[in-house]
Amino acid sequence: QQQVKQSPQSLIVQKGGIPIINCAYENTAFDYFPWYQQFPGKGPALLIAIRPDVSEKKEGRFTISFNKSAKQFSLHIMDSQPGDSATYFCAAAGSGNTGKLIFGQGTTLQVKP
Amino acid sequence: SAVISQKPSRDICQRGTSLTIQCQVDSQVTMMFWYRQQPGQSLTLIATANQGSEATYESGFVIDKFPISRPNLTFSTLTVSNMSPEDSSIYLCSGGQILNNEQFFGPGTRLTVL
Repeated sequence: QQQVKQSPQSLIVQKGGIPIINCAYENTAFDYFPWYQQFPGKGPALLIAIRPDVSEKKEGRFTISFNKSAKQFSLHIMDSQPGDSATYFCAAAGSGNTGKLIFGQGTTLQVKP
Repeated sequence: SAVISQKPSRDICQRGTSLTIQCQVDSQVTMMFWYRQQPGQSLTLIATANQGSEATYESGFVIDKFPISRPNLTFSTLTVSNMSPEDSSIYLCSGGQILNNEQFFGPGTRLTVL
C-alpha cells in the first residue's frame, strides 16, 4: 500500500497556538518522512524530515513526532505565527530506494493574529 | 541543499500545441523528478528523470504525452505534448541526492491550456 493519509484537511488556530498535523502510512519499507511547506504560487519547501530510528526531531519551532509501531507521524508547530499560514504536506520515501516521494493530501493552515 | 529554477514560470497555450518546461539545478543531483499539482491539490509524480537514459513513468503517464530529457546531472526538460484543457496544471521539478533522500523543488510552471 503506497498511500500516505494526512489529516486534517484544514486547520485554523490563534497566534501562539500549537497546530498538529497527522499522517499515517502502510508501507513498512518507507524510511524517510519529510514535511513540506508551500505558500501560494510557490514550490514546496522542505521543512523538516525524520527517519524511523528516532521518535522525535525538532528544528526551531517545528517538531516531528514519529510512532513506528502505529505507522504514524505528526508535525507540531510551536508558538505559531500568522506567517506560518500555508499548506503543509507530509510525504514518505524509501521503498526500493528510488527516492520517490509519496505525498499526503495536504493541510491548509491558517494562523489568526 | 539545491536551488532549482524553472522556465517558463507560466504560460497560456492553445489546444493541440506542445510546451517544453526547463528545470535547472545549481549543483549536481542524483535524483530528478517531475510532478503535477492541480490548484489546491497534492502533488502527483509524473516520472523520474534518469540521466542519460529514458525516464521512468508512473501509472497513468506515458512518454508520448510527457517526453522527458535529462542530458546531465543539473538539467532536465518536460514536454507536455498535444495539450488539452485537462493538462492545465502546475508542473514542478524536484532534485536531490539519493544518499539522504532530500528533495528540493522548483517554483513550478503554471500552465493554462485554452
